[in-house]
Amino acid sequence: QQQVKQSPQSLIVQKGGISIINCAYENTAFDYFPWYQQFPGKGPALLIAIRPDVSEKKEGRFTISFNKSAKQFSLHIMDSQPGDSATYFCAASLINSGYALNFGKGTSLLVTP
Amino acid sequence: NAGVTQTPKFRILKIGQSMTLQCTQDMNHNYMYWYRQDPGMGLKLIYYSVGAGITDKGEVPNGYNVSRSTTEDFPLRLELAAPSQTSVYFCASSFDRGVSGYGYTFGSGTRLTVV
Repeated sequence: QQQVKQSPQSLIVQKGGISIINCAYENTAFDYFPWYQQFPGKGPALLIAIRPDVSEKKEGRFTISFNKSAKQFSLHIMDSQPGDSATYFCAASLINSGYALNFGKGTSLLVTP
Repeated sequence: NAGVTQTPKFRILKIGQSMTLQCTQDMNHNYMYWYRQDPGMGLKLIYYSVGAGITDKGEVPNGYNVSRSTTEDFPLRLELAAPSQTSVYFCASSFDRGVSGYGYTFGSGTRLTVV
């Protein structure tokens, strides 16, 4: 059972455009929602994260929007660059699982020049 | 500071063979995890540990075993390898639940093929 559902599976955006990746979750016990970025041949790395008491968090060109009532959160990449081409994973933490992250299936982003 | 080190980087196993994937971290993190990554399927938790001597099953533990005798090491054992275990395996560690802003530190992965 997929705890966190992520869409789209792949995304192509022109340089300078906005990339948007969406995630939805079912378990209201989740209390931490990070996004990870993975380049080919590397392990994922934390990009940005949000807690449910905040509706938006921005770090540079990356913004998380969080809608607690809809149980949805999204990643916006403004002014997308070719260097942003990577796989992005949303995740959520479940309190009674020993703090392990539940990951979405990932979105492969390609930013074209 | 090496972070999380996984060995080997690549391995081909025959069906029925066994092997141990090594993972060590030098950040004194209490929490360690093993995930497998299959194309289009995201990262699935195999086992995790909240400290030396304590381990617990994740979402897909069948066919695997772990041990945590020290804070630094968290090896993953595959017994009787099957083609379904062909995957990329990632070890990760975290200072706390990964919610302090530091997140998880992942290793660079082990690509395993079972033939």
